[in-house]
Amino acid sequence: KAGVTQTPRYLIKTRGQQVTLSCSPISGHRSVSWYQQTPGQGLQFLFEYFSETQRNKGNFPGRFSGRQFSNSRSEMNVSTLELGDSALYLCASSSQREGSEQFFGPGTRLTVL
Amino acid sequence: EDQVTQSPEALRLQEGESSSLNCSYTVSGLRGLFWYRQDPGKGPEFLFTLYSAGEEKEKERLKATLTKKESFLHITAPKPEDSATYLCAVNSGGYQKVTFGIGTKLQVIP
Repeated sequence: KAGVTQTPRYLIKTRGQQVTLSCSPISGHRSVSWYQQTPGQGLQFLFEYFSETQRNKGNFPGRFSGRQFSNSRSEMNVSTLELGDSALYLCASSSQREGSEQFFGPGTRLTVL
Repeated sequence: EDQVTQSPEALRLQEGESSSLNCSYTVSGLRGLFWYRQDPGKGPEFLFTLYSAGEEKEKERLKATLTKKESFLHITAPKPEDSATYLCAVNSGGYQKVTFGIGTKLQVIP
């Protein structure tokens, strides 16, 4: 069974630009969550999608948004990039069973200059 | 608000020296506690899920246990390849709203 895939793996942008990251979950998984990981803050929850609907949202500004498609693939978008947005962005998928474990992709390393 | 605190932040062990990592949590209603292993520059790798106090799970040199307030990850006779950051996380309901701890960075020296 193929794991969670994320593209691109690395990205360099400048302040003020916008970026779109993509995630393909494990086949059959309909829940996709996004996290931001930085050395000082650890993994911070961004949002979770299930069947194309956002079910949960973390405490991030509106510059961070996402969506999910009918095939469960998900994208997240960050507009008006700031230096502090430099981080590893991780996508995780899980089955629809409540409390089930999440499986993570390799992440996208975003650097904002 | 859910809280997860892991200790120690860093741990250095000699190969074969057993130890335990701690995860203390405060949640409104635990739906699952998870342990992950993360290598530098990679995504977390799932290890265990624990659902209720008294539950234990084992995998090779790792054993995870759960009480009503904390979880332990016991590492028996560790090897250098066990070096990684170990993350603890909790799901307290609200579907997949998961809170992670900062992690324990484990280094095993040959």
